[in-house]
Amino acid sequence: GEDVEQSLFLSVREGDSSVINCTYTDSSSTYLYWYKQEPGAGLQLLTYIFSNMDMKQDQRLTVLLNKKDKHLSLRIADTQTGDSAIYFCAETPYGADYGGSQGNLIFGKGTKLSVKP
Amino acid sequence: DVKVTQSSRYLVKRTGEKVFLECVQDMDHENMFWYRQDPGLGLRLIYFSYDVKMKEKGDIPEGYSVSREKKERFSLILESASTNQTSMYLCASSSGDIAKNIQYFGAGTRLSVL
Repeated sequence: GEDVEQSLFLSVREGDSSVINCTYTDSSSTYLYWYKQEPGAGLQLLTYIFSNMDMKQDQRLTVLLNKKDKHLSLRIADTQTGDSAIYFCAETPYGADYGGSQGNLIFGKGTKLSVKP
Repeated sequence: DVKVTQSSRYLVKRTGEKVFLECVQDMDHENMFWYRQDPGLGLRLIYFSYDVKMKEKGDIPEGYSVSREKKERFSLILESASTNQTSMYLCASSSGDIAKNIQYFGAGTRLSVL
C-alpha cells in the first residue's frame, strides 16, 4: 500500500536553513503537498508542487522533487522561531486501485521542527 | 478564504456518552473528511464523504459514525465514547478536483473522554 515517510524531529538554530525530507511510494501521484500545523491548531497548506516540476520556490520556501527516488523536500531559509511547528508531507494517489478513494490525501506522520534562538 | 469551522475547540465527555462533533465549510466543497491525530501516529482518516448523504469508511471507522444531511455540514458521532477515543479530531474539506486535491482544515477539537 501507499505510505509517506518523514523523520519525526528536526532541531535548528534561528537563522539557519531547515530541510525537511519526505519519501512517498505512489509514482502516479500528481500533486504533493506540504502542510504546517502550529501548536493547538489545524493544518494549514504551506505549498504544493505538481509532479512534472522539479522545484518550486516561494519566498523563504523551496520545494524539491525527485520523482525517480520519490523524494520530496522542503527547505526553509533563514528559519525563525515562528517556523516552529509540525510539517506534514502529503500525496494524492491518483488511481482507481486506491480502493476507489480518489481525492484522498495520504499524510506522513509529520516532522516537528524546533527552532532554537 | 476557505473557512472550515469546528463547533468546539475542547470537549470533555464521560465514558458511554454519545458525542457529536460538528464541522461546517463555507466553500461549497463536495468532499469532507474526519481525521484523528495522535502523537507519533500522525493523521488517520476516520470517515469521508463525497456528496450529501454519502459516506465512506476511512482507515479507522470502528466506534464512529458520520452524517451528511447538507452539503456544508459533516458530523462525526461517537455512539458510546470510550477512553481510547481521547484525541484531537480534525475536519477538512476539498473541492471535487481529484488531481489537485487541496484539503482545508478546521482548527480541531480536542476531545477528552474520562
